[in-house]
Amino acid sequence: DAGVIQSPRHEVTEMGQEVTLRCKPISGHDYLFWYRQTMMRGLELLIYFNNNVPIDDSGMPEDRFSAKMPNASFSTLKIQPSEPRDSAVYFCASTLFDGGPPNEQFFGPGTRLTVL
Amino acid sequence: QKEVEQDPGPLSVPEGAIVSLNCTYSNSAFQYFMWYRQYSRKGPELLMYTYSSGNKEDGRFTAQVDKSSKYISLFIRDSQPSDSATYLCAMSGNLEAAGNKLTFGGGTRVLVKP
Repeated sequence: DAGVIQSPRHEVTEMGQEVTLRCKPISGHDYLFWYRQTMMRGLELLIYFNNNVPIDDSGMPEDRFSAKMPNASFSTLKIQPSEPRDSAVYFCASTLFDGGPPNEQFFGPGTRLTVL
Repeated sequence: QKEVEQDPGPLSVPEGAIVSLNCTYSNSAFQYFMWYRQYSRKGPELLMYTYSSGNKEDGRFTAQVDKSSKYISLFIRDSQPSDSATYLCAMSGNLEAAGNKLTFGGGTRVLVKP
């Protein structure tokens, strides 16, 4: 398996523009997570899905952020409009819940977003 | 106050030294404890996990959990330059009830000098 795939790997945009980040989880996994990582705040969970259904979006910072998972093999995280404080590395991770530990989450390589 | 606290470092040690990392937490419901390793410009990867209190050893790595003190540790023996990375602790309560959600510490950056 190719692992979790994220695109683009790098994104530079100007304030006010719409940004769409994409994720393809590992085939067969039933949970998908979106995280944001910054030096100041570390790794923060934004939202996660189970079987394509959003379960907990309490980490989404504002209404400017939205996430969708139209099918088991694709998810998007959209920021509209983007702001400089959104600059961070965004990770997607997936896992398969089989009833036991270690509940390993497999992370993608991340998208490094810079908003000017 | 964050649910999981971790010293950000950086922690610089000479090659061959023992690296000692730790996290404290406040949620007594946590029962699964994990350590993830993150190399520069990569995603985190699971290194070790433990369930409840106790020790677990895997090669040069030892993970310890003290639930009574809400304190977990990771020790790296005979450290190598290839161990230079950021180490993040992560925790979860009942897996199904928590929805497989993990709470991460902020990470400690480790630098092993040759």
